[in-house]
Amino acid sequence: DVKVTQSSRYLVKRTGEKVFLECVQDMDHENMFWYRQDPGLGLRLIYFSYDVKMKEKGDIPEGYSVSREKKERFSLILESASTNQTSMYLCASSLPTGGLYEQYFGPGTRLTVT
Amino acid sequence: AQSVAQPEDQVNVAEGNPLTVKCTYSVSGNPYLFWYVQYPNRGLQFLLKYITGDNLVKGSYGFEAEFNKSQTSFHLKKPSALVSDSALYFCAVRDRPGGGNKLTFGTGTQLKVEL
Repeated sequence: DVKVTQSSRYLVKRTGEKVFLECVQDMDHENMFWYRQDPGLGLRLIYFSYDVKMKEKGDIPEGYSVSREKKERFSLILESASTNQTSMYLCASSLPTGGLYEQYFGPGTRLTVT
Repeated sequence: AQSVAQPEDQVNVAEGNPLTVKCTYSVSGNPYLFWYVQYPNRGLQFLLKYITGDNLVKGSYGFEAEFNKSQTSFHLKKPSALVSDSALYFCAVRDRPGGGNKLTFGTGTQLKVEL
């Protein structure tokens, strides 16, 4: 079974802090994704990566950056956390492109910025 | 641009009755369509997908979905609901070609199955 793990289930940070969210997958998937989930808005794509050191902006990249130095690990960085970044963050991975393949999700990190 | 709509925020159904969770989509080409389920405090789990072929797609846990191109719909169905089916359901679409690697998700439908 594909396993996608996220470093924290719950995280509380202060406004202005730099925040790192880590995601690791164990199935050698090329594609990895970061979403945020908010009530009434569904899932919105922040960034995705289709290879090591490759990344593309999603629909809401402002205030975020990402890093993918190794194939299995995809990090989401909040450069200066703000209260409007309080949300559930979900990482996912999938086999490569074509959109044919389903995405596998981690359990999520609920981030609260105070 | 691709988009998907889930018109119902919540669906209530009695255990043993059939259930339907609605989804409509908009793409410029032909779609790839997906359903995911999210149980409380968990990540999303894949249920089923439509790529091509038969319009009726069968998936996990007894769920199925019907692709209707003329109505641009992909409704999720189950003949007999269980209390354990209570969860948040998301429809997602990818446009092909040209959709890149992006899935666009709906806003989700909360399914509540009652005894």
